[in-house]
Amino acid sequence: QVQLVESGGGVVHPGTSLRLSCAASGFTFNSFAMHWVRQAPSKGLEWVASMSYDGSIQNSADSVKGRFTISRDNSKNTLYLQMDSLRVEDTAVYFCARDLELWPTHIDYWGQGTLVTVSS
Amino acid sequence: QSALTQPPSASGSPGQSVTISCTGTSGDLGVYNYVSWYQQHPGKAPKLIIYEVTKRPSGVPARFSGSKSGYTASLTVSGLQAEDEADYYCSSYGTSYLVIFGGGTKLTVL
Repeated sequence: QVQLVESGGGVVHPGTSLRLSCAASGFTFNSFAMHWVRQAPSKGLEWVASMSYDGSIQNSADSVKGRFTISRDNSKNTLYLQMDSLRVEDTAVYFCARDLELWPTHIDYWGQGTLVTVSS
Repeated sequence: QSALTQPPSASGSPGQSVTISCTGTSGDLGVYNYVSWYQQHPGKAPKLIIYEVTKRPSGVPARFSGSKSGYTASLTVSGLQAEDEADYYCSSYGTSYLVIFGGGTKLTVL
């Protein structure tokens, strides 16, 4: 069955960096686009970034553009999110999610999430 | 990248039907049929219940159905059950490979 396991979350200070990882299993990783979605405490879902099956297409939300970078290593079945210049408002649970298609369009499976807390 | 518009809350008694709306624009829901609905229980990951406006993934009860007219998509839950109490989010594909979520609707089963 499809499994997505996020790791790398933690407590960091504003202005610092963090890299999240998402280990995928149970499906052919290099045949699906992938996403990062976050949820601030007691708030709704916010799409963060997407990448196509082969890494050729990526996009990110205006709120993180220029600070967060999505990438993938298809040889390791792993998705990454490099988060730089972190802000207090980036505090959230970060979910890794699989798309139904080769290109970013819509999400089917979700991981359980990893919590990132940005605090001084 | 404005969020899709959902009512913050909805409610119904067991056995009743409830419909949750989701309004977008000509740049997302109004032109694309990549409209999805997710159910999220407290402390859990979201679960896909409707995709491509009307399709149900395997294992999702037929009580859940989706539709779209113009710029508004809708999720209908028929025969409400206690376990349907959860937050529901709509999403749509937007131009240039982005995904837009609604603000979420808290469904209460009275």
